[in-house]
Amino acid sequence: TQLLEQSPQFLSIQEGENLTVYCNSSSVFSSLQWYRQEPGEGPVLLVTVVTGGEVKKLKRLTFQFGDARKDSSLHITAAQPGDTGLYLCAGAKEETSGSRLTFGEGTQLTVNP
Amino acid sequence: SAVISQKPSRDICQRGTSLTIQCQVDSQVTMMFWYRQQPGQSLTLIATANQGSEATYESGFVIDKFPISRPNLTFSTLTVSNMSPEDSSIYLCSAGQGGYEQYFGPGTRLTVT
Repeated sequence: TQLLEQSPQFLSIQEGENLTVYCNSSSVFSSLQWYRQEPGEGPVLLVTVVTGGEVKKLKRLTFQFGDARKDSSLHITAAQPGDTGLYLCAGAKEETSGSRLTFGEGTQLTVNP
Repeated sequence: SAVISQKPSRDICQRGTSLTIQCQVDSQVTMMFWYRQQPGQSLTLIATANQGSEATYESGFVIDKFPISRPNLTFSTLTVSNMSPEDSSIYLCSAGQGGYEQYFGPGTRLTVT
């Protein structure tokens, strides 16, 4: 059973379009992280959200943590080819140690010029 | 954040042999982890490397197959023992300071023939 469901799994869009990636669970998480991974590299941490309803912005990326801390979304405005990569959400559950993460299945984003 | 390096970056090994992967962090960290990932897919946690004690393995992973060492707060090794083609994967180490965030190495791409 996958604790974190990510959707969509694949997304191919044109440069300049907007997109949203979703990360959902029936479990409550203490925090949720979003990572981006490019081929041949390890995941790179983009953001951590810890408070229900929290919204964080990183340039053209907007991250939101659900009020109940069970879900999160990543919205990219005016996508660029440099945004191409595998996006992964990861959650830390309250009953486990803060550092142990559960990863979603990932969303492979391709932004075409 | 922490900068993490892994060696080797890739290797091709024959079935039945063993490979030891090294993970070096540029600063002392509380937590170190080992993951496995198929290209373009999510990460699966193998174990938590504990400094000075035996690693904590996730369900489906055992010490005889994946022995782990962590002699100090900046270094860990993962050995993939008695390899089979099913062990072909990307192996990633990560580090954290006991909070929610983890920082990843670039990964080791293993192919078993």
